[in-house]
Amino acid sequence: KNQVEQSPQSLIILEGKNCTLQCNYTVSPFSNLRWYKQDTGRGPVSLTIMTFSENTKSNGRYTATLDADTKQSSLHITASQLSDSASYICVVSVAGGYNKLIFGAGTRLAVHP
Amino acid sequence: EPEVTQTPSHQVTQMGQEVILRCVPISNHLYFYWYRQILGQKVEFLVSFYNNEISEKSEIFDDQFSVERPDGSNFTLKIRSTKLEDSAMYFCASHRDGNTEAFFGQGTRLTVV
Repeated sequence: KNQVEQSPQSLIILEGKNCTLQCNYTVSPFSNLRWYKQDTGRGPVSLTIMTFSENTKSNGRYTATLDADTKQSSLHITASQLSDSASYICVVSVAGGYNKLIFGAGTRLAVHP
Repeated sequence: EPEVTQTPSHQVTQMGQEVILRCVPISNHLYFYWYRQILGQKVEFLVSFYNNEISEKSEIFDDQFSVERPDGSNFTLKIRSTKLEDSAMYFCASHRDGNTEAFFGQGTRLTVV
């Protein structure tokens, strides 16, 4: 069964600190892995997309890594800001067909001053 | 920046009534999706739509649900006879092809009373 598991479920950090969120997946066939940021009550917004051959991709203070062998990904947030408070969702796209997206449950991040 | 727009932002309906949720995808996109997110839970795939027909649907997408692209721009999700458990945020998404960013709308919050 195609699944995406994320940890931790929630995280509290102080403004300015770094943090790393984890994602494990069992999706086959694999097409790509995406990280989304979702503010409460809003639609998800894409942060990064990585295909099988990409190990790391950055978007400003966000850096995602992908290990396709172990089927793990991480999202590292550097120098956190209050506006980073949101849910971060790992999403894996199933290859073939119409690239259905399999969502993880997300990590709820709270950045405190 | 192009965006996916959804209307209404919030819909309250009585159990058993029909509702139509509307979406305007980004104009040059070819793949369209509906997802839902029950409060406090993860985003779940409902249906994908390509070339004016359903390409894949989940087990959630039963006979009560239907999708249409009536005029080449709007993309609608109809729920024929709403149930209490249909209460959720419904997100429309579109993308150009499988390895490009999927853009999500801001969602319609459906409340069935």
